[in-house]
This record gives sequence, C-alpha cells and structure tokens, in this order.
Amino acid sequence: SQTIHQWPATLVQPVGSPLSLECTVEGTSNPNLYWYRQAAGRGLQLLFYSVGIGQISSEVPQNLSASRPQDRQFILSSKKLLLSDSGFYLCAWSVPGVRQYFGPGTRLTVT
Amino acid sequence: AQSVAQPEDQVNVAEGNPLTVKCTYSVSGNPYLFWYVQYPNRGLQFLLKYITGDNLVKGSYGFEAEFNKSQTSFHLKKPSALVSDSALYFCAVRDENYGQNFVFGPGTRLSVLP
Repeated sequence: SQTIHQWPATLVQPVGSPLSLECTVEGTSNPNLYWYRQAAGRGLQLLFYSVGIGQISSEVPQNLSASRPQDRQFILSSKKLLLSDSGFYLCAWSVPGVRQYFGPGTRLTVT
Repeated sequence: AQSVAQPEDQVNVAEGNPLTVKCTYSVSGNPYLFWYVQYPNRGLQFLLKYITGDNLVKGSYGFEAEFNKSQTSFHLKKPSALVSDSALYFCAVRDENYGQNFVFGPGTRLSVLP
C-alpha cells in the first residue's frame, strides 16, 4: 500500500533562517507531487507541483522553492523565512488524473 | 480557468439531522470533482469523487454527493449527522483540459451539535 511521510511534524524557526521540509512517498512510482500551504485552518494554496524528477511548476511567486531530487521525494525550501511563511504545509501525491493523497502536514511557526 | 466556491463558511446542524455542504465549480472541460475532510492539525482525508457515471456518488463514513451539471454543483450530503462529523470540508476540482492541478474551495466548517 502507498504511504506518504512528512517531516518534521512541527517547526519553530526565527525570521531570516533557512527552511527545509521533506516529503517522501512509498508504494508508488512516478507520482505527481504537490506542496500546499494552509493559513489559519482554512483554504489551501498550491505552492508547487511536480510531474517528474527535476520538473517543478511554481504557482505562486515567493521566497520558497521546491526540488524533486528523486522520484518519490519532494523538498520545500527557503533561504530566508518571513513571518508570512507561517502556516500548515501539506504535501500530496496523485496518480495522474486520479485523486490526491495527503501527508500529515508540517506546522511551521516563524517567530 | 478552473475555480471552486463553497458559499458557506460555517454550517451548523443538530446530531441526527441531515446535513448538506454546498459546492459549485467552474471549468472549461469535463470536471473531476472531489470532497475531502480535515480534522484539526491533520492532513486531508478523501471522502469521495466524481469522474464519470452516476450523478449520485457514495463515499466514506456515509457521505454522498450529487453531481449536477446544469447547476455546476457538487453538494455533499449525509442523511444523519454525527458529532464526530464536525470538521473542515473541502471541495476540489480538476479540469480535464487543465493539466494536473487540483483547485480547492476555501473550505466549510461543519459543526454538529449534540
């Protein structure tokens, strides 16, 4: 069966510090991968999605970046965090054309 | 462009009563429609989807949704609400003509009162 992991589960970082959030998927090959941010327990904002290794599409210009170094690994990064980067970050995968499967999320607080 | 609207921020219903959470969508091609539920500090859990076929779709935990093409709606329903159904509900759409992006509605918070 397929599983999706995200870590860390929670993170508190000062403004200006770097960020690295990791997402890995098991039990499937060549999935589409997604990063979302959810602010204040409401709507999801799509940040990045990837249809293959090294292929990243950015939906919202900001100080975040994403990379896909391996087929089932998706990393969200920042060189310098802003207060506005606080939120709940969700990773998801899908088989093309079918439903998405979400990870447990990372709660990021920028202080 | 594709979009999803959930016109109600909050829905309150008494336990045992039927519930409806509304969703309308806009796409250029045929829609793939989804409902997810989110409990506090958790990822989204899949409830049901409509791709093609019967307009009435049955999903997890007794939920169902009806696809209405003329009204571009995909409302989520349950005949008898439980207190444990209290959560945040998201409707999502993927346009078959718009690549692999899923667009989510803003969410509706459901409170089931005992």
